[in-house]
Amino acid sequence: SQQGEEDPQALSIQEGENATMNCSYKTSINNLQWYRQNSGRGLVHLILIRSNEREKHSGRLRVTLDTSKKSSSLLITASRAADTASYFCATGNSGGSNYKLTFGKGTLLTVNP
Amino acid sequence: DGGITQSPKYLFRKEGQNVTLSCEQNLNHDAMYWYRQDPGQGLRLIYYSQIVNDFQKGDIAEGYSVSREKKESFPLTVTSAQKNPTAFYLCASSIGGVGYNEQFFGPGTRLTVL
Repeated sequence: SQQGEEDPQALSIQEGENATMNCSYKTSINNLQWYRQNSGRGLVHLILIRSNEREKHSGRLRVTLDTSKKSSSLLITASRAADTASYFCATGNSGGSNYKLTFGKGTLLTVNP
Repeated sequence: DGGITQSPKYLFRKEGQNVTLSCEQNLNHDAMYWYRQDPGQGLRLIYYSQIVNDFQKGDIAEGYSVSREKKESFPLTVTSAQKNPTAFYLCASSIGGVGYNEQFFGPGTRLTVL
């Protein structure tokens, strides 16, 4: 079964608006990562946040991590049409299986010009 | 250019045939991975390798085989035992410490069984 679950499954916004995607997971993690995938392409790494971090920024991206709630959010500010893609969270687990990166099913973001 | 290449981009297979998907990286990464992506299912791990001449099964290894004879290469064979092989296959690599580091992905191979 997959560790991360993104919410919502699909999100449609207008250019210039902010987009927020959420990820929930079930077991202890070492780190949580967000990836982006354009249709029919490979995934591109966006940001990694470790379990002892609460917030991280990269350009227009802001990621938060709440280990007590086992959840993370990805905020894209001032969205652009080029941000249209699927966004996946992936967890690096701690414990016995600390060598697998487990992906969620993704959020499909559509930014309308 | 540094990166990961996968070939072919599109692959068609007849039922009962084995096919091999190529994955090459020149990033000097120790760890390499194969994922399968189906619509609405996200990515599922097939096999991964942390070092040359070593690999482990992922969550859905049945019907697949791999080899890791060179650091740069991690080919995936989809055998006739894989009952539903039509999917998008993604190869990735990372510096090491599987699960600890960001993964770099290739462009993918779309396999269709005729």
